[in-house]
Amino acid sequence: GAGVSQSPSNKVTEKGKDVELRCDPISGHTALYWYRQSLGQGLEFLIYFQGNSAPDKSGLPSDRFSAERTGGSVSTLTIQRTQQEDSAVYLCASSLAGQPQHFGDGTRLSIL
Amino acid sequence: AQRVTQPEKLLSVFKGAPVELKCNYSYSGSPELFWYVQYSRQRLQLLLRHISRESIKGFTADLNKGETSFHLKKPFAQEEDSAMYYCALTNSNSGYSTLTFGKGTMLLVSP
Repeated sequence: GAGVSQSPSNKVTEKGKDVELRCDPISGHTALYWYRQSLGQGLEFLIYFQGNSAPDKSGLPSDRFSAERTGGSVSTLTIQRTQQEDSAVYLCASSLAGQPQHFGDGTRLSIL
Repeated sequence: AQRVTQPEKLLSVFKGAPVELKCNYSYSGSPELFWYVQYSRQRLQLLLRHISRESIKGFTADLNKGETSFHLKKPFAQEEDSAMYYCALTNSNSGYSTLTFGKGTMLLVSP
């Protein structure tokens, strides 16, 4: 595709359920990043992939959060046992080496 | 620890007025600075990076290492400039590096 694609665009779920968020980066981009955008907190880094490995996962807020990337392309961010404080917009970005990151539209996650 | 500070949550100006969105940073190494913009109902997109030293949509930003600032300026604001602006930094010595963002400044340009 022409840009970073994220799905779903919106997700509403009940507290305690697990959710999976998907990111399809720009073709050929080896780096993939997840960020979270929440009210009052701005944009926070979650995890970064280089190929299929994650050299930096320091931003994951708890062990309920995990992510994987397969085939050096699509990535999935999983949140287990969701809590209300997980409500946010989850943004994915991709880039080439030394180049700026390109962002997707994000997934708006609402926990009831 | 690296940090980006945008002191203004909201900046409201009239069309044609000059605009300056402030950004200060703290970083122990050699940073690369960016401005990203998010227009209503659009995705976050890159506006400027300091190493490019270019003007985009009339906006410029100069890195001042002495004052650790990277303020965004435009001499004459337009209504279409209304958007959320984020200042961000990364480690310039790394080919791949995560971005640290400020909390953003909402710019509103009134007719």
